[in-house]
Amino acid sequence: DIQLTQSPSFLSASIGDRVTITCRASQGISSYLAWYQQKPGKAPKLLMYAASTLQSGVPSRFSGSTSGTEFTLTISSLQPEDFATYYCHQIYAYPLTFGGGTKVEIK
Amino acid sequence: QVQLVQSGAEVRKPGASVKVSCKASGYSFTAYYIHWVRQAPGQGLEWMGWINPNNGGTNYAQNFQDWVTMTRDTSIDTAYMDLRRLRSDDTAVYYCTKSRTLGLPFDVWGQGTMVSVSS
Repeated sequence: DIQLTQSPSFLSASIGDRVTITCRASQGISSYLAWYQQKPGKAPKLLMYAASTLQSGVPSRFSGSTSGTEFTLTISSLQPEDFATYYCHQIYAYPLTFGGGTKVEIK
Repeated sequence: QVQLVQSGAEVRKPGASVKVSCKASGYSFTAYYIHWVRQAPGQGLEWMGWINPNNGGTNYAQNFQDWVTMTRDTSIDTAYMDLRRLRSDDTAVYYCTKSRTLGLPFDVWGQGTMVSVSS
């Protein structure tokens, strides 16, 4: 199975901060990686796919990049509605797997 | 608009079965795979498998191979996930979600169905 290791698992940040979340795959997955945002009691919401393609309707302060098997989600200027848990997800091989999540909280 | 609406919360005893439904609307039901993902309380996301509503084909994660069945009824645009021999660690929120094809992400999710397993 392909393991996805997210870091950090928790981060505390202020409004306006630049935030970076990393997801490392245990083997090559090309660009078959997506990012989701989940708020408490809600279903996950697709933010980005193909590592760096923004889903329709998602603000442009979100961006994604990749370097080999390391993927990065960046929020350029954190807004109040961005406090949530973020998950990466590989859709390259079965079984499909998710990272352990990164919880972004208000400092 | 595109929606997946799931059935309500369920409570079961260990060893019982549960069947969760997922009704699609706003798009062509047979044109998208339906996946099931679960999330135990305070935990991350776990993919269970998919069903192709067009032909009923399925692909289950090995962890669930022997005790999950995914079906669909195209006459009412509804997918189902049946989980047997429930244990307490099956207590989780179960989500249905869809993808256009394999290799594409899950673009719309149901609201989730809480399944509680307790004696």
